[in-house]
Amino acid sequence: DIVLTQAPLSVSVTPGESASISCRSSKSLLSSKGITSLYWYLQRPGKSPQLLIYQMSNLASGVPDRFSSSGSETDFTLKISKVETEDVGVYYCGHRLEYPPTFGAGTKLELK
Amino acid sequence: QIQLVQSGPELKKPGESLKISCKASGYTFTDYAMQWVKQAPGKGLQYMGWINTQTGKPTYADDFKERFVFSLETSASTAYLQINNLKNEDTATYFCALMGGLFDYWGQGVMVTVSS
Repeated sequence: DIVLTQAPLSVSVTPGESASISCRSSKSLLSSKGITSLYWYLQRPGKSPQLLIYQMSNLASGVPDRFSSSGSETDFTLKISKVETEDVGVYYCGHRLEYPPTFGAGTKLELK
Repeated sequence: QIQLVQSGPELKKPGESLKISCKASGYTFTDYAMQWVKQAPGKGLQYMGWINTQTGKPTYADDFKERFVFSLETSASTAYLQINNLKNEDTATYFCALMGGLFDYWGQGVMVTVSS
């Protein structure tokens, strides 16, 4: 199975500042169709995971453009600009390149 | 709009069985496979497998090939997760989800507690 390693495990951010979360894959997530199968989720406390980014860099419907993602075939970064209180929660990266899909261990974002 | 509504919380004893439901609405049920994801208390997301909503064929991730059963009631647009011979380590929240290439929809999750 593909292993996704996230860093850091937690991050504390002042509202209005930026935050970055890293996700490293044990295997290239670039498919034969030229699509990078990397996804980012936010799970707010007590809620279901919410898709933020699909196919490495595409914003999911309704997600503010304060969120952005970039990367290569194995190394990815989620950036949150001007962090707001609603951004608090656990961020997960995940892949859908092959079966089974797997998720990173999560990065907890808190406010200072 | 697409919605996945799951059944309520469960409290069970070790060795018992349970069946969780996931009722879909807002789309044609057989258009998308249904996935299941486990989240133990304070832990991350663990993919359990999926069921083909056209054929009813389930596919289980390695850790879920024993005691776990995915099923459907297509006429009711409902997917089910059954867990047999419950163990303490089954204590978790279980999510059903549609995980397409370009979208996701998740149920609200079912909290299952296994305790003697």
